[in-house]
Amino acid sequence: GAVVSQHPSWVICKSGTSVKIECRSLDFQATTMFWYRQFPKQSLMLMATSNEGSKATYEQGVEKDKFLINHASLTLSTLTVTSAHPEDSSFYICSASLASGSTDTQYFGPGTRLTVL
Amino acid sequence: EDQVTQSPEALRLQEGESSSLNCSYTVSGLRGLFWYRQDPGKGPEFLFTLYSAGEEKEKERLKATLTKKESFLHITAPKPEDSATYLCAVQSFQIQGAQKLVFGQGTRLTINP
Repeated sequence: GAVVSQHPSWVICKSGTSVKIECRSLDFQATTMFWYRQFPKQSLMLMATSNEGSKATYEQGVEKDKFLINHASLTLSTLTVTSAHPEDSSFYICSASLASGSTDTQYFGPGTRLTVL
Repeated sequence: EDQVTQSPEALRLQEGESSSLNCSYTVSGLRGLFWYRQDPGKGPEFLFTLYSAGEEKEKERLKATLTKKESFLHITAPKPEDSATYLCAVQSFQIQGAQKLVFGQGTRLTINP
């Protein structure tokens, strides 16, 4: 149980184009999903918190107009990188939160490798 | 501000050589401490949640323990397939909103056959 999928697993795009990444919780409903970015040999950096039916909460320094997040249902959140540039190339990982005992456990997707040419 | 520090940054062991990974943390109020395993090019895989000092959890060759200031991930008689980056994260009580995780930098573990 607690499986999270991401699509696509990798994407290559030209500078200036937009890219959409989907995150789905396959066997549970997630009120809250999170989007992370990870650079090589570094830990995860939280970009934003996505709540179903409301606006996402972005971390300091993350451009909300560049990284559009939509959480349309309890099983789907999307991240759109708008007008992508080479510096946006990175590994993007989502997680979905599942209540467990007295806390919430985040289950992670497999990640999406974005390369902007 | 919640902080997590993991040590060592990297660890190489021979197959069968037991060792421990450390996770030191400071948090305003601990709601949970999490251990994840991450393989290269993949998302983190959930291993354990620890809630209070003195708690221990085991899974195969892994055992996680918790004190008020740190957590240890003990690996007993490791195998090459245990090679991965192990991430520690804390979740604190927050007034509102989702419960964010604060991650450490991870320990890259390599088990040589």
